[in-house]
Amino acid sequence: GENVEQHPSTLSVQEGDSAVIKCTYSDSASNYFPWYKQELGKGPQLIIDIRSNVGEKKDQRIAVTLNKTAKHFSLHITETQPEDSAVYFCAAHNQAGTALIFGKGTTLSVSS
Amino acid sequence: EAGVAQSPRYKIIEKRQSVAFWCNPISGHATLYWYQQILGQGPKLLIQFQNNGVVDDSQLPKDRFSAERLKGVDSTLKIQPAKLEDSAVYLCASSLTRSTEAFFGQGTRLTVV
Repeated sequence: GENVEQHPSTLSVQEGDSAVIKCTYSDSASNYFPWYKQELGKGPQLIIDIRSNVGEKKDQRIAVTLNKTAKHFSLHITETQPEDSAVYFCAAHNQAGTALIFGKGTTLSVSS
Repeated sequence: EAGVAQSPRYKIIEKRQSVAFWCNPISGHATLYWYQQILGQGPKLLIQFQNNGVVDDSQLPKDRFSAERLKGVDSTLKIQPAKLEDSAVYLCASSLTRSTEAFFGQGTRLTVV
């Protein structure tokens, strides 16, 4: 079945710096790749997603890139702010194209 | 638009007891998911419903876990009997269709002692 690997597990940056989180997936048939942000005591919230027919998508300070050949995708956060501190999860559709398979998460800490 | 509602928020039980969680998805969402999130890990799918039918329950420990969505709206997840390793956050999510964005509830934190 699908397997999603996420790196790094923890990431500390200074306010204003950029943060990059990378994920790889195993199933070449996967075609949907969302990123979720989870704050303490809350459920995951979708922040950006990308489908396999595009290579990059941007929404203000957040961007996602996808390399289908290499089977990896990345989240880029520019001009980080303390409120960006949270756990970020990447995910991919499983072989059936239905439920999401998640990475293990990256704890991002932004210090001011 | 109201989000995915889950209850209770927290539950503490002793091992071998039973427990049930409830989820009310976003109105009109045909697809409903239950995920288990162990501390420090990503959510793991337990079961997926499409309306009131099961799409995927391959990861559900069927000897102790059960779930239903009888009328294609609300859903309950039950554990009987609970084990220590069931301590986790149980997340419910819903989506309009099987290929659209999934919205998550706040989860139920279960502690088995």
